[in-house]
Amino acid sequence: AQKITQTQPGMFVQEKEAVTLDCTYDTSDQSYGLFWYKQPSSGEMIFLIYQGSYDEQNATEGRYSLNFQKARKSANLVISASQLGDSAMYFCAMRAIIQGAQKLVFGQGTRLTINP
Amino acid sequence: DTGVSQDPRHKITKRGQNVTFRCDPISEHNRLYWYRQTLGQGPEFLTYFQNEAQLEKSRLLSDRFSAERPKGSFSTLEIQRTEQGDSAMYLCASSLVGLGTNEKLFFGSGTQLSVL
Repeated sequence: AQKITQTQPGMFVQEKEAVTLDCTYDTSDQSYGLFWYKQPSSGEMIFLIYQGSYDEQNATEGRYSLNFQKARKSANLVISASQLGDSAMYFCAMRAIIQGAQKLVFGQGTRLTINP
Repeated sequence: DTGVSQDPRHKITKRGQNVTFRCDPISEHNRLYWYRQTLGQGPEFLTYFQNEAQLEKSRLLSDRFSAERPKGSFSTLEIQRTEQGDSAMYLCASSLVGLGTNEKLFFGSGTQLSVL
């Protein structure tokens, strides 16, 4: 069964420091996609970054990068030069085919707090 | 604003009442998803539509839940005879699926349901 594990319930980081949010996944599929979403207190899920299982390069989007280690089944999110506005819940998700349909399976999330 | 919009943002209802939520996806998107998120958890898949066809329903979706997307544009999610366990954030997402694209879901801000 497809599963996402985020082992850090909460993280506290000083402003301007880099932060790594951990994500490991479990799947038997050869083709899959990994996503990171940010959820601020307003509730909206904001797409941050995507990594395909066949992508050889680690995905990058501005200050976000995804450290994809396929053999270890990990897809950690790295935020460089953190800002106060980065404080939010962060969810790792995997696109899985379940009962013939493509769905996103989410982890439990990590609450990131940036301290001034 | 051309993102996914959901209405209402908040709904408080008494146990046993029926409620209906609306989702307007990004206009050119052909897939629409409903997810449910309870406090401290990641979103869980409920159902999705490809254009106007409902292709999959989760086992989480009891007979009291029904979703429609009559013209392949907006969607409604109705909960009949609400129970306190239905209290959650209901998230809608849309995506554009086509040949050679990596499906990325874009979420709305959700409808927070409280059943008293």
